[in-house]
Amino acid sequence: GNSVTQMEGPVTLSEEAFLTINCTYTATGYPSLFWYVQYPGEGLQLLLKATKADDKGSNKGFEATYRKETTSFHLEKGSVQVSDSAVYFCALRPTGFQKLVFGTGTRLLVSP
Amino acid sequence: EPEVTQTPSHQVTQMGQEVILRCVPISNHLYFYWYRQILGQKVEFLVSFYNNEISEKSEIFDDQFSVERPDGSNFTLKIRSTKLEDSAMYFCASISGAGETQYFGPGTRLLVL
Repeated sequence: GNSVTQMEGPVTLSEEAFLTINCTYTATGYPSLFWYVQYPGEGLQLLLKATKADDKGSNKGFEATYRKETTSFHLEKGSVQVSDSAVYFCALRPTGFQKLVFGTGTRLLVSP
Repeated sequence: EPEVTQTPSHQVTQMGQEVILRCVPISNHLYFYWYRQILGQKVEFLVSFYNNEISEKSEIFDDQFSVERPDGSNFTLKIRSTKLEDSAMYFCASISGAGETQYFGPGTRLLVL
């Protein structure tokens, strides 16, 4: 079946540190891959996406590359800010379907 | 910027009671979804809705659940007889067309006592 596995949180970093949040997936076919972010008290917002192998999604300094050979879509940012503190969700949309399949989410805490 | 809204933000109910969770999707969107997240667990798909009918549902979406778009703007999720395990955050989402990005509401936190 289709599934997404994310690293456990919380991830605690100091401002300007490098961020990696690991995400791997299991899917049949060629899914689209997404990172959503949830700031406190808000809904899920699309951060970035990639629709085919080797695509790199990027937004607000975050990036992730769709790696079919390792079935991964790790989220990275070179220098985090306090305002990046949030919960990050990796998700896939299976081929031919509309629903999203989510990981458990990873909480990021950035301190000044 | 248009956004998906949900009401209420929090709801507490007794086991066995009916609850209705409300969502107002973005106005020109055509596909609507409900997801839920039990505390500490994954966000799970419940149901998708298009052209006034259910297009897909998960095994979670049993006979206790129903969805409706009663007036062309609201999109509701009804749980007929709540159970303790229905306690979760419920998210509504919508998209304008097939294959596009899903826009999510802020969620309704449901607590069943």
